[in-house]
Amino acid sequence: AQSVTQLDSQVPVFEEAPVELRCNYSSSVSVYLFWYVQYPNQGLQLLLKYLSGSTLVKGINGFEAEFNKSQTSFHLRKPSVHISDTAEYFCAVRRSNFGNEKLTFGTGTRLTIIP
Amino acid sequence: DGGITQSPKYLFRKEGQNVTLSCEQNLNHDAMYWYRQDPGQGLRLIYYSQIVNDFQKGDIAEGYSVSREKKESFPLTVTSAQKNPTAFYLCASSISITGNTIYFGEGSWLTVV
Repeated sequence: AQSVTQLDSQVPVFEEAPVELRCNYSSSVSVYLFWYVQYPNQGLQLLLKYLSGSTLVKGINGFEAEFNKSQTSFHLRKPSVHISDTAEYFCAVRRSNFGNEKLTFGTGTRLTIIP
Repeated sequence: DGGITQSPKYLFRKEGQNVTLSCEQNLNHDAMYWYRQDPGQGLRLIYYSQIVNDFQKGDIAEGYSVSREKKESFPLTVTSAQKNPTAFYLCASSISITGNTIYFGEGSWLTVV
């Protein structure tokens, strides 16, 4: 089975500063990786996903993530954050060769933007 | 607009009562899911359905039941056997069980009073 770890439960960042939200996964086989964002009292929205190909993945709202197989990481980055980025961010993983396997989610990182 | 509709948004339940959360999708997706979200624990899968008239238990199915009589509908019943039902419940769907993008509804808050 696979697992995913988000080490930072809360990350405060000043507005217009860069941010990195960390995600590490554990799997003995190839994986698909995802980042979702959840605004207060809402469902989850897909930010970006890595399935194959280029290890640098660009998503919506100016976010990007880099898949690092040797470090089993998929950290999410944004060069300059805005107040509207305040939300909870979830990393998720699924083994790529197991067609009907469900996503495994991390415990989430709450990003707070300080004006 | 296509999407997933959950209702009600807020629901209060007395101890010992069963309650049903509605989930409807008009995305023509075969697969549907129910997740429970608790603070600091991320999302945990309760039940999922690959196709009409089929459903499977997820990681925390005890105290819950589902049905999938129509493709677009996947209601979740929280029974009195669920000892700690207060949580945020999320319904989701994907084009198929192997689909790589899962779409979520807006969620339903259930509180036991």
